[in-house]
Amino acid sequence: GAVVSQHPSWVICKSGTSVKIECRSLDFQATTMFWYRQFPKQSLMLMATSNEGSKATYEQGVEKDKFLINHASLTLSTLTVTSAHPEDSSFYICSAVGAGRPQETQYFGPGTRLLVL
Amino acid sequence: GENVEQHPSTLSVQEGDSAVIKCTYSDSASNYFPWYKQELGKRPQLIIDIRSNVGEKKDQRIAVTLNKTAKHFSLHITETQPEDSAVYFCAAILSNDYKLSFGAGTTVTVRA
Repeated sequence: GAVVSQHPSWVICKSGTSVKIECRSLDFQATTMFWYRQFPKQSLMLMATSNEGSKATYEQGVEKDKFLINHASLTLSTLTVTSAHPEDSSFYICSAVGAGRPQETQYFGPGTRLLVL
Repeated sequence: GENVEQHPSTLSVQEGDSAVIKCTYSDSASNYFPWYKQELGKRPQLIIDIRSNVGEKKDQRIAVTLNKTAKHFSLHITETQPEDSAVYFCAAILSNDYKLSFGAGTTVTVRA
């Protein structure tokens, strides 16, 4: 168990458009979901922490109005990149912490590759 | 927040030899230290982890050691195989917020 999916797996969009990425926990309820961004040949950088039913908390330097996060249910969190620009091109990965499971164990989604032209 | 440093950034080993990756952390309140393997374009996979009340843990060819006093932990891969080639990340979690702080990563290449 503990499968996390992301959709889409890759997306290409024009500069100025918005892109929504979904993160779903398929076989467990996720009390907390995390969103990471990974540029080529770099590490994963935490963008924000998303808790079901409450506002996301963003890491320093991450624009909350640009990266909109919604965690409407215990199995779904969405990240919307608004007015995307080429510098937003990256690999976006979510992870989920399961209700009733060790809180330090994060289950990662397969990632979404975003290319902004 | 936590700051995790990882060395080396690249590591090339002959098949069958051992590989060692070292990480240091800054916050003594960190209490959980996972290691991830990431293949190109894929999600990070947890390969082993250690908690702060344990000094060493082993799982077949992989072992992790933790020195809480010095605030460093290491990954040891023995009898390396070509399929061990990947990027490895260490990470640390503070006990009060469960946020993962990742090291910069080590690209391991196992030469056949």
